[in-house]
Amino acid sequence: DAGVTQSPTHLIKTRGQQVTLRCSPKSGHDTVSWYQQALGQGPQFIFQYYEEEERQRGNFPDRFSGHQFPNYSSELNVNALLLGDSALYLCASSYAPGRGYEQYFGPGTRLTVT
Amino acid sequence: GQQVMQIPQYQHVQEGEDFTTYCNSSTTLSNIQWYKQRPGGHPVFLIQLVKSGEVKKQKRLTFQFGEAKKNSSLHITATQTTDVGTYFCVSIQGAQKLVFGQGTRLTINP
Repeated sequence: DAGVTQSPTHLIKTRGQQVTLRCSPKSGHDTVSWYQQALGQGPQFIFQYYEEEERQRGNFPDRFSGHQFPNYSSELNVNALLLGDSALYLCASSYAPGRGYEQYFGPGTRLTVT
Repeated sequence: GQQVMQIPQYQHVQEGEDFTTYCNSSTTLSNIQWYKQRPGGHPVFLIQLVKSGEVKKQKRLTFQFGEAKKNSSLHITATQTTDVGTYFCVSIQGAQKLVFGQGTRLTINP
């Protein structure tokens, strides 16, 4: 049983470009959350998707958008990249509330903006 | 929101020594989770505490939730090199939104 998978592992982009990160949840999970982790900091919640809709959002600008597909996989899109967007982007999957509370994190995508 | 503060930020111990990290909130927490992140790795769920005064043990790890549900602690007895990593306490807001503390980074001298 595969856990949470993310692609790509590493990515280097230039300021102003756009990037798409992908996440496949753990088998059986239907909820996907995205987090940004800057070096030496704790992960910061970006948003959460359930039933193909954004259910919750953290304090991130509209440049950060996402999508969830019918198979529960998800994408994170970041437009107009800034140097400060350089971070580890983590995807976490879980069951919908009421069915479980543990979140499983993927290995992350390391994004470097130059 | 329910922010959580962790102390210490860093802790270095000799292998075999005990280790404790503390988590505090200015508001009452509905529950709290603990995660461990190894260097270069991703956060891994350790435990969830829900009840006031709750104490849970996992082998050498002891987790406590304060009576007022405003603080929590993680204690590791007789640390081993496999315990190296950053330990995060996490509050849950809304439907599964995790709010991480800044973490306590544990390093161990073998």
